[in-house]
Amino acid sequence: EAQVTQNPRYLITVTGKKLTVTCSQNMNHEYMSWYRQDPGLGLRQIYYSMNVEVTDKGDVPEGYKVSRKEKRNFPLILESPSPNQTSLYFCASSSQRGRNYGYTFGSGTRLTVV
Amino acid sequence: GENVGLHLPTLSVQEGDNSIINCAYSNSASDYFIWYKQESGKGPQFIIDIRSNMDKRQGQRVTVLLNKTVKHLSLQIAATQPGDSAVYFCAENRPISSGSARQLTFGSGTQLTVLP
Repeated sequence: EAQVTQNPRYLITVTGKKLTVTCSQNMNHEYMSWYRQDPGLGLRQIYYSMNVEVTDKGDVPEGYKVSRKEKRNFPLILESPSPNQTSLYFCASSSQRGRNYGYTFGSGTRLTVV
Repeated sequence: GENVGLHLPTLSVQEGDNSIINCAYSNSASDYFIWYKQESGKGPQFIIDIRSNMDKRQGQRVTVLLNKTVKHLSLQIAATQPGDSAVYFCAENRPISSGSARQLTFGSGTQLTVLP
């Protein structure tokens, strides 16, 4: 089944403790992206990657890092999480080729930073 | 029922009625638009898309209308069913550089509630 898999689904952590949220897709998509979703603000892009070793900032990159060493994986790294990073996070992938630019989303990771 | 976009983030309709969800987009360079449905506890799911060279596209029970003059999108759901209850997001997709990079920007969403 074509899908984007995020782990973990739920995470509670303390301020300053480094964490990584993993994202993997099995569709051979070039493009991957991370979004955070907050009430009343919709989905805002954190980082995106056009292909392996190519990453760029989205609208709200502060406090986050990403890497794209392999095509299928795009982990989101919070080096020193803070409470304002408490949010629902979604990873998405897309094939930039062809007519359809629609994204496939993962099921989300709910992060709480205390 | 009809929603006028970000100022009315909730829409309630009777089961069997048609729903209209509106969305205003901001960037004239956007050339591809997508509607997503997000059910509680799940990621957004693709519903229907439309390119900027079209003004209407129909799917199964859903129709998207695009008015580029006023930068407005609408999603029409025919014979709304309880399973249609969800948050609906419009998204605009546009090129962001001279290369192949593109950016997808979401609206803040509309909560659709279907009443029995």
